[in-house]
Amino acid sequence: AQSVTQLGSHVSVSEGALVLLRCNYSSSVPPYLFWYVQYPNQGLQLLLKYTTGATLVKGINGFEAEFKKSETSFHLTKPSAHMSDAAEYFCAVSDGANSKLTFGKGITLSVRP
Amino acid sequence: DADVTQTPRNRITKTGKRIMLECSQTKGHDRMYWYRQDPGLGLRLIYYSFDVKDINKGEISDGYSVSRQAQAKFSLSLESAIPNQTALYFCATSARSGGAYEQYFGPGTRLTVT
Repeated sequence: AQSVTQLGSHVSVSEGALVLLRCNYSSSVPPYLFWYVQYPNQGLQLLLKYTTGATLVKGINGFEAEFKKSETSFHLTKPSAHMSDAAEYFCAVSDGANSKLTFGKGITLSVRP
Repeated sequence: DADVTQTPRNRITKTGKRIMLECSQTKGHDRMYWYRQDPGLGLRLIYYSFDVKDINKGEISDGYSVSRQAQAKFSLSLESAIPNQTALYFCATSARSGGAYEQYFGPGTRLTVT
């Protein structure tokens, strides 16, 4: 079985500050990991994914995430927050062979002017 | 035009009513999914279909049923709606990309059961 833990439900940062959203996973097989973003009144959009290979993956809108197997983590970062980054962010895991995703509970990012 | 569309976008219904949520896709993907989103609970899988003849229960299928009418259409039904089925419902499709299956989501249907 797989699971995802996103600690906390809300993160608030100032515009221009570092964004760090944490994700820890549990998987009995090598995981495939995803970050999705949900803007208000919209569906989910893929930000980035890790499958195999390079452990630092870059996504859209300046986001990146690093897969750390020893820490079972896949934290999402962005060096400088923008007001348009305010949204809900979901981490998800799959076992690769299966297309089903297991999602974390999500975390809401607020950006202060 | 959106690749994954859902109708209706908003619906208010009464307890005990039957309701159907529809999903259509133009992406040509075989795999389709229905999720519900509740505040603080993330997305939970209700049903999924890998092709027209392959339909599977997800983690929270009780009280729901689905129909895969064609590769492009996947409908979710609530046979007798109850208030705790009030939620945001998402349809998604998936295809393999770069070694992993990526999922593509519709805009969601906000359902309120009174």
